[in-house]
Amino acid sequence: RKEVEQDPGPFNVPEGATVAFNCTYSNSASQSFFWYRQDCRKEPKLLMSVYSSGNEDGRFTAQLNRASQYISLLIRDSKLSDSATYLCVVGPYSSASKIIFGSGTRLSIRP
Amino acid sequence: EPEVTQTPSHQVTQMGQEVILRCVPISNHLYFYWYRQILGQKVEFLVSFYNNEISEKSEIFDDQFSVERPDGSNFTLKIRSTKLEDSAMYFCAGAGNNQPQHFGDGTRLSIL
Repeated sequence: RKEVEQDPGPFNVPEGATVAFNCTYSNSASQSFFWYRQDCRKEPKLLMSVYSSGNEDGRFTAQLNRASQYISLLIRDSKLSDSATYLCVVGPYSSASKIIFGSGTRLSIRP
Repeated sequence: EPEVTQTPSHQVTQMGQEVILRCVPISNHLYFYWYRQILGQKVEFLVSFYNNEISEKSEIFDDQFSVERPDGSNFTLKIRSTKLEDSAMYFCAGAGNNQPQHFGDGTRLSIL
């Protein structure tokens, strides 16, 4: 089983739509969880951390289910600028440790 | 917002040559990392660095690779004798204590 697994997509949705991405991770000892976005040939940029209680940042909502080892990201009222690859990222231990990237889910928003 | 900066943005090198990739983390970062991303593949961890020593490294980070932070600001990745398969985007990242990692804009390394 892959350490972090995501549906590669692509998701092609109209502007204004709501879209959801899912991610599963294999290491039950994982302590930190993130969504990053990556534009073509650019660096990963932190979108949001994911907390056990779930958290929201504007149009973006992230959920974590530790029992199922499952992370989700919901984007409401999608914009053209949301087109990117969304990376599910899991951090096993402490600040000093590596973070593990999923392969990413590609999202394309059409006008 | 302060940024992690990397130089050069693109490096073209002959196979077998040494390359040094440079990174300037944000000043309050304590933990430093190198990752790489081969075109079309996922981001892969190479090495983490804390308190002037390597804290963790991956299988990719073999004897051809080394890191150092000689002057307390620049964080460098050296590849001693490059191979064709070293061609990739190399990302530096930094983090404060219990903070998410923030990435530099990367160096594209092309080995000919």
